[in-house]
This record gives sequence, C-alpha cells and structure tokens, in this order.
Amino acid sequence: KQEVTQIPAALSVPEGENLVLNCSFTDSAIYNLQWFRQDPGKGLTSLLLIQSSQREQTSGRLNASLDKSSGRSTLYIAASQPGDSATYLCAVSPGNQFYFGTGTSLTVIP
Amino acid sequence: NAGVMQNPRHLVRRRGQEARLRCSPMKGHSHVYWYRQLPEEGLKFMVYLQKENIIDESGMPKERFSAEFPKEGPSILRIQQVVRGDSAAYFCASSPTGGGGASNQPQHFGDGTRLSIL
Repeated sequence: KQEVTQIPAALSVPEGENLVLNCSFTDSAIYNLQWFRQDPGKGLTSLLLIQSSQREQTSGRLNASLDKSSGRSTLYIAASQPGDSATYLCAVSPGNQFYFGTGTSLTVIP
Repeated sequence: NAGVMQNPRHLVRRRGQEARLRCSPMKGHSHVYWYRQLPEEGLKFMVYLQKENIIDESGMPKERFSAEFPKEGPSILRIQQVVRGDSAAYFCASSPTGGGGASNQPQHFGDGTRLSIL
C-alpha cells in the first residue's frame, strides 16, 4: 500500500529565506505527483503537477522536483513571503486514487 | 465563481441522524472525487464518480456511506446514522477528464464541508 510522508511536519522561517519541503513515497509506480497548498478552513489549491516522466516543474518562485526511482520529491520556495504561510501537501497517484501526505505547516515570519 | 462548490460549509448532526453533503464540480468537469480529512490526519480517498457511475469506491466505508452523481444536479455524499467518529472535513475535487491520476490532470478542490457530530 502506498504511503506518503512529509518532513518536516512544521517549519518556521524568516521572510526572504529560501526553503525546501520534502515528500517521500513508498511505491514508485505512480502517474504523477502533485503539490498543494491548504489555507486554514479552506480547500486545496494545486500548485504544481509533475508527471512520472518529468524531473521537475516550475511556477514563479516554486520549483518541484521528482525522483521516482528513489520515491522522493522536493518543493523549493524561493524568497519566502508571509503570504506563503500555509500547509503544503503532496499527493501521488498510481491510478484512480490520490494518496496524500499529512503536510508541512509553514510559517513565514515578517 | 466557477470553482468547485460544496455545501453546506458546516453541518452539525446528532448521533443517529443522516448527513447529506453536496458538491457541484467546476463547469465542464464530469469527474468527481470525495476525500475525508480526519483531525490530525491526511486526506483519505473515499470514492471516484463519473456522471451516473461509481468508478472506484474502494476508500468508502462499507456501511452507512453512499455516494451518487446523477445526470442532473450535484454529487451527493450521504452518511446514514452518523457517529462521533464521522466528524471530519469532507472535500470534493473535480477534473475534466477521467482516469484519476492517469489523466495527469490537476484536481480542483472545493472548500470542504466540516461535519460535527454531537
């Protein structure tokens, strides 16, 4: 059964720092990996989707990488801002289902 | 707002009552996924539906839970005889094409329904 782990569970950084969030998964037979952002009391917003044949995707200050063989992905956030404060979730999909990690709660201190 | 709409946002029920959660997918999307987020846990897949069809319900509890996505109207997640352990946030997501992850389409989420059982 697919298991997704995110480390660290919580992270606090001063504004302007670059940071990396980690995601690992146990079964490399996936179609894609997706990174989401969740704000308190809200749903999930899709940030980046990396297909299994791709190594990375970029959107603005965000860069996500995927190493399918080792079961790892990272989300790099450049020049963090207080507005980046949220919980970040990764999810992998081997088929119909999406398996989610429990998230990293990020706080960016002004 | 053309996003995924879920209602109600908050629902309070007493033990033994029925809970009905509704989800209207994004315009043009005909595939709906339901997830449950228990306190301090990650999102767990429950069911994947296409119009008038259940494609995958492997994450749905065998008893008391059912889901439908009729030809007209929203998708409904129904929980009968609710118990305290059903208290959670229930999220709906939609995508324009099917196949779940195989479609390589991002999922679009609603803001969820927070269900509280007294």
